[in-house]
Amino acid sequence: EVQLVESGGGLVKPGGSLRLSCAASGFTFSSYWMHWVRQAPGKGLMWVSRINSDGTSTGYADSVKGRFTFSRDNAKNTTYLQMDNLRAEDTAVYYCVRDDDDSSWNHWGQGTLVTVSS
Amino acid sequence: IVLTQSPGSLSLSPGETATLSCRARQHISNNFLAWFQQKPGRAPRLLIYGASTRATGIPDRFSGSGSGTDFTLTISRLEPEDFALYYCQQYANSWTFGQGTKVEIK
Repeated sequence: EVQLVESGGGLVKPGGSLRLSCAASGFTFSSYWMHWVRQAPGKGLMWVSRINSDGTSTGYADSVKGRFTFSRDNAKNTTYLQMDNLRAEDTAVYYCVRDDDDSSWNHWGQGTLVTVSS
Repeated sequence: IVLTQSPGSLSLSPGETATLSCRARQHISNNFLAWFQQKPGRAPRLLIYGASTRATGIPDRFSGSGSGTDFTLTISRLEPEDFALYYCQQYANSWTFGQGTKVEIK
């Protein structure tokens, strides 16, 4: 069974940093692109970042470019989202998502809440 | 690619049919359009991808149609568990979501 488990969320002050992790199991992790998607309280879904299967290529939404870094460790079946210079508008539930062979997103983690507040 | 969903909310009774629209400002190539269902406190669930292909385990009362810039999700014979938020997503050019349509019980 495919499982994606996010961790690392919490309360952080504006300008602070946080690192999210997504631990994957139940599939050949190194074969899949992965994404982070976020959802601010009471708002819609927003794509944040993607990483290719071997970690050599990443992409970011304009609103997080230069502040967030997406990486992966295929030996540990884990992805990481390093979030620096956090802003109040980064407050959201962050979901880890697997990009399937047909580009569909059929597997999501349960989400981890990041709150940026003084 | 900006996606606009309509209506913003829909009030229907169980057994009725829901018709949700998703319109793109630009052509979506290869029909790379998906629909997700989300319930409070839960992660989104994939319903439809490739505009019309049901994801594994999705009941056949859910159907997707459309191409180019206009797409539709139809939910026939609404069941109590279908009342939720629905998002469309394009994955032809980066990834973007519509703002969502809430299907409420009348």
